[in-house]
Amino acid sequence: DTGVSQDPRHKITKRGQNVTFRCDPISEHNRLYWYRQTLGQGPEFLTYFQNEAQLEKSRLLSDRFSAERPKGSFSTLEIQRTEQGDSAMYLCASSFTTGHTGNTIYFGEGSWLTVV
Amino acid sequence: KNEVEQSPQNLTAQEGEFITINCSYSVGISALHWLQQHPGGGIVSLFMLSSGKKKHGRLIATINIQEKHSSLHITASHPRDSAVYICAFTSAYFGNEKLTFGTGTRLTIIP
Repeated sequence: DTGVSQDPRHKITKRGQNVTFRCDPISEHNRLYWYRQTLGQGPEFLTYFQNEAQLEKSRLLSDRFSAERPKGSFSTLEIQRTEQGDSAMYLCASSFTTGHTGNTIYFGEGSWLTVV
Repeated sequence: KNEVEQSPQNLTAQEGEFITINCSYSVGISALHWLQQHPGGGIVSLFMLSSGKKKHGRLIATINIQEKHSSLHITASHPRDSAVYICAFTSAYFGNEKLTFGTGTRLTIIP
């Protein structure tokens, strides 16, 4: 088990371009989360999946953002028409839940996005 | 007002000192998490607790549900403990497992 992996780790893109991040959770983890973190702040929730179903989306997730988890394994987060305000670290996390809250959550190393 | 507040924001101490980081929250929770984040971004879960106290090596986490307060203690601090420590909670509502994070405490241990 290699933990939660994210790709790419770093991405520099021009404003207006589209970017896609991939997250591979720990195998057999049924929950997958995306968070965004800007410098000096704690992470903020974006969205989460249980298996392939997207169960909740933050209002931070504008219509330029879309996330998928097509087969209930890896997930992608796409940002269309990037803006400078999208510059942040995008964190993926996963957990295995049996329906009780308070399960240990495992984080990836994050994907840094810089929009220039 | 943030739902979770941490103090101090920054802490510098000498190697060997006893460290305390505090976390207060304002809503009902099901679990309180203490996390460690090193430069470069990766976050590691240190503790998850809903009552009482937990200990792992030199780290101790306590929570007082009535007072909505938690503390993270580090005994015999070492330079490798230098990191950002973040407290976060999962809501009391069933099935809602998203984490709400504090802004973190940046700890620097000087040799």
